[in-house]
Amino acid sequence: SQQGEEDPQALSIQEGENATMNCSYKTSINNLQWYRQNSGRGLVHLILIRSNEREKHSGRLRVTLDTSKKSSSLLITASRAADTASYFCATGLSGTYKYIFGTGTRLKVLA
Amino acid sequence: GAGVSQSPRYKVAKRGQDVALRCDPISGHVSLFWYQQALGQGPEFLTYFQNEAQLDKSGLPSDRFFAERPEGSVSTLKIQRTQQEDSAVYLCASSLVTRGDTEAFFGQGTRLTVV
Repeated sequence: SQQGEEDPQALSIQEGENATMNCSYKTSINNLQWYRQNSGRGLVHLILIRSNEREKHSGRLRVTLDTSKKSSSLLITASRAADTASYFCATGLSGTYKYIFGTGTRLKVLA
Repeated sequence: GAGVSQSPRYKVAKRGQDVALRCDPISGHVSLFWYQQALGQGPEFLTYFQNEAQLDKSGLPSDRFFAERPEGSVSTLKIQRTQQEDSAVYLCASSLVTRGDTEAFFGQGTRLTVV
């Protein structure tokens, strides 16, 4: 079973616009990670945010975490066609080593 | 190597055939994970190794699935008597430490198609 759910399931935007994806989860976590997956390829790690952090930046990426609401968001600013991919959140569960993935958001950036 | 390596990249198996999927983790990484990803879905946890010890195999869907990591480095996922529902991408990941608060690096995956 999957821990998290991403919202929206699919998103289509124009190049240059910002893209926001949300992830909700169910249980206590140590951290939350975001991954990108291009069609037919492996998962690429984007960013990790720990449970005691609220916001983190990496280049054009901004991740927020609200543990009280059990939710996270990934913002991609100034999107590019190359950002077209599926994005997954993965939660590191408290007291365990597991990473549990959400259902993913399929992002399409139109040139 | 620089990253997690999986082989083969693609495997077509006839129903009932046994298959073996290989994962070479990043050198020195203690933790190794196997995930199964069905088309259009997120990866689902299968099993976890800490060095050579298989600490969690709760995600293995049936006793036809077996994983090993005998020397604490390379791992093999074996599927016996493959069924069509086994068709999926099998992903391997490794991380440096055992706590669930560090980055996991994924391989490119093995796409298994059972016909």
